[in-house]
Amino acid sequence: DIVLTQSPVLAVSLGQRATISCRASQSVSISSINLMHWYQQKPGQQPKLLIYRASNLASGIPARFSGSGSGTDFTLTIDPVQADDIAAYYCQQSRESPRTFGGGTKLELK
Amino acid sequence: EVQLVESGGGLVQPGRSLKLSCAASGFTFSDYYMAWVRQAPTKGLEWVASISYDGGSTYYRDSVKGRFTISRDNAKSSLYLQMDSLRSEDTATYYCTTDGRYGFAYWGQGTLVTVSS
Repeated sequence: DIVLTQSPVLAVSLGQRATISCRASQSVSISSINLMHWYQQKPGQQPKLLIYRASNLASGIPARFSGSGSGTDFTLTIDPVQADDIAAYYCQQSRESPRTFGGGTKLELK
Repeated sequence: EVQLVESGGGLVQPGRSLKLSCAASGFTFSDYYMAWVRQAPTKGLEWVASISYDGGSTYYRDSVKGRFTISRDNAKSSLYLQMDSLRSEDTATYYCTTDGRYGFAYWGQGTLVTVSS
């Protein structure tokens, strides 16, 4: 199974940039297509797709969210952080089955 | 508007069975692989099972193989998860979601399954 590793907590100030990382135990790319996706989950709500294929903004997602990376190292950036962005963020790979998620990064206010 | 509405969760004793349903609307159901993803209380997300467009191919995580069965009825735009021999570690909120190489794009609100005596 592909293991995805995220830092559990990231503390940021409103208006600053947040950088959330995700490292895969093996490459999740196929022919330059990066099969890594990012989700936001607020307490009591279902997850929401933010970024698909590493760098593509999902429908309706604000432009302050962006994604980058390839191979085994990926980053979700929120710039600037707003109060509504306080949530948990998960990376997920669809390179192979079983689909796996990272453990999640809880974004907190500093 | 895309909608996925799960039902069928509840309290069940260990070793018993439960069947979850997911009613889809607002998109062409048969155009999507579908999946169940679960989340134990205060824990992260865990993929459970996926099914191909026509139901001909199914995929499971190891811990549920032989106990859970994913199925679909494209005529009813519905997804199902039959869960047998339930264990306490299956306690979680179960989400119905579309599955693909663009990620899990659409999610239901989830249904809670509690396995306890």
